[in-house]
Amino acid sequence: SQQGEEDPQALSIQEGENATMNCSYKTSINNLQWYRQNSGRGLVHLILIRSNEREKHSGRLRVTLDTSKKSSSLLITASRAADTASYFCATGGLETSGSRLTFGEGTQLTVNP
Amino acid sequence: KAGVTQTPRYLIKTRGQQVTLSCSPISGHRSVSWYQQTPGQGLQFLFEYFSETQRNKGNFPGRFSGRQFSNSRSEMNVSTLELGDSALYLCASSPQLNTGELFFGEGSRLTVL
Repeated sequence: SQQGEEDPQALSIQEGENATMNCSYKTSINNLQWYRQNSGRGLVHLILIRSNEREKHSGRLRVTLDTSKKSSSLLITASRAADTASYFCATGGLETSGSRLTFGEGTQLTVNP
Repeated sequence: KAGVTQTPRYLIKTRGQQVTLSCSPISGHRSVSWYQQTPGQGLQFLFEYFSETQRNKGNFPGRFSGRQFSNSRSEMNVSTLELGDSALYLCASSPQLNTGELFFGEGSRLTVL
């Protein structure tokens, strides 16, 4: 079963607009990561935020983490048509060793030119 | 540096057959993990190998198995295929255990008829 849920399941915006995706999880975590997947392809790592961090930036990406609410958000600013993809959050749990990640259900983002 | 390579990219099998999928990690990466992605269940962890030893295993039946070789290349095998095994099987590598970011291959798309 999935660790949590992502909201919304699908998001359609115009180029230049900002896109915000939310992720909730259930158990305590070491870190939370966001990945992007173009249709039927492999996943690409976007950003990792550790449990003791509250906010992180990378280029046009901004990630926040609220461990008290067990939630995270991914903001993509000034979106481009090339940002069209599915976005997944993934958590590395406290009690799991190794590189095992638990993925959310994903948000399908469509950026219209 | 070459990325994670998975072969074959596409394959079609019939129920009852078995299949072997191969994964070559990024050079120098010693951890290899496998995930199954289906529309209904999403991304689910299968298992992880490090130094030729299985370190983690997900909740899959014994028909799903894997191994890792001394050069860190990994294979996974599914025996007695069922229709529900149709999925995108993704391999990911990382330099060590617990390094956070995973590097994914493009996946092997298995269709069971």
